[in-house]
Amino acid sequence: GAGVSQSPRYKVAKRGQDVALRCDPISGHVSLFWYQQALGQGPEFLTYFQNEAQLDKSGLPSDRFFAERPEGSVSTLKIQRTQQEDSAVYLCASSLDHRDYSSYNSPLHFGNGTRLTVT
Amino acid sequence: KQEVTQIPAALSVPEGENLVLNCSFTDSAIYNLQWFRQDPGKGLTSLLLIQSSQREQTSGRLNASLDKSSGRSTLYIAASQPGDSATYLCAVLNSGYSTLTFGKGTMLLVSP
Repeated sequence: GAGVSQSPRYKVAKRGQDVALRCDPISGHVSLFWYQQALGQGPEFLTYFQNEAQLDKSGLPSDRFFAERPEGSVSTLKIQRTQQEDSAVYLCASSLDHRDYSSYNSPLHFGNGTRLTVT
Repeated sequence: KQEVTQIPAALSVPEGENLVLNCSFTDSAIYNLQWFRQDPGKGLTSLLLIQSSQREQTSGRLNASLDKSSGRSTLYIAASQPGDSATYLCAVLNSGYSTLTFGKGTMLLVSP
């Protein structure tokens, strides 16, 4: 596709429900990132994939959050037993290659995000 | 832990004015600094990326500067237009890490 695609655009979940958010990166992009953006805040890093390998998950706020990218393209962020504090916009970004310093200047392309509201 | 601060939090100017957005960061060991634009309900669009060895980058009416030693960057927008209205985010990539640290953004409103 032309850009990073995220679905759904909006998700309303009742507290305690599980949700799954999908990200389709730009074709051929090796690196994929998930960020969480609370209202009025900047995005905060959640996790990072290089192909199918999850290289950094230090930003995941709890073990209720789980991300996968089994075939190195589409990624899913799953939140179990959602809580009100999980309400935020979840942004996915991809880049051509982010594996080392020589490629850290490759630009990140962001999707439009999924707005999650937990009631 | 890296912290990024953006001042002001919000800015309202009439069309045609030149303006400066400020970004500061606490850890100067960065690899690069990026400025992004975010429109309501949208993702982030990369505007400018300055590598740690560079002092500034320009794109059209935008000019970003970087003073790594003092932990500061500015985004200069010349001859502002209503279409420039958006939230502008500054982000740094720390040496040794692969992830960006963002500021909270400056919400800009340019009125006709």
